[in-house]
Amino acid sequence: GAGVSQSPRYKVAKRGQDVALRCDPISGHVSLFWYQQALGQGPEFLTYFQNEAQLDKSGLPSDRFFAERPEGSVSTLKIQRTQQEDSAVYLCASSLAQVEQFFGPGTRLTVL
Amino acid sequence: QKEVEQDPGPLSVPEGAIVSLNCTYSNSAFQYFMWYRQYSRKGPELLMYTYSSGNKEDGRFTAQVDKSSKYISLFIRDSQPSDSATYLCAAVHGSSNTGKLIFGQGTTLQVKP
Repeated sequence: GAGVSQSPRYKVAKRGQDVALRCDPISGHVSLFWYQQALGQGPEFLTYFQNEAQLDKSGLPSDRFFAERPEGSVSTLKIQRTQQEDSAVYLCASSLAQVEQFFGPGTRLTVL
Repeated sequence: QKEVEQDPGPLSVPEGAIVSLNCTYSNSAFQYFMWYRQYSRKGPELLMYTYSSGNKEDGRFTAQVDKSSKYISLFIRDSQPSDSATYLCAAVHGSSNTGKLIFGQGTTLQVKP
């Protein structure tokens, strides 16, 4: 079946704009993760959903970051009032068993 | 200090060489250890994972975990130019109820024909 898909693949925002990043997980995967990957670094955990419940949001860097998964499938990561330091690749991963996480291609966000 | 440390490289080897990629970690609670491969402008792809200490082999790839020294290794035999990518090690707490991955920085590998 299809893998994890993310849209848009690339997003350019002016500083102060709000952005919304979408993740379509693999069908049937109850676990969904968001990670942030800065240039030249490994991904860093942002938040975790089990179905529609957000069980861990300890990695969200500020209250400008918000994630939701209202129907336990598609998830949206929203960043309000974007700053230059938000420029990164945002990766979504889904899993049946938590340990084996399957990643999407990522959304590359550039804040000017 | 990061919980998982990895030398960023770059590492350049000739085709056919044996490649050794390594990570160290600091948290004794880590129980699952993963290796991901990431091609440029793509998402990470899971190569293999191990639970606790020991070895695991899959084709040309062997993962090794030594919990006594907190050392994680990935060996690639008969390396190919298509193996050129960034390799990320990651770990998960054994008691984690979320399964969140803690990644190293990634090592960039180039296999020259």
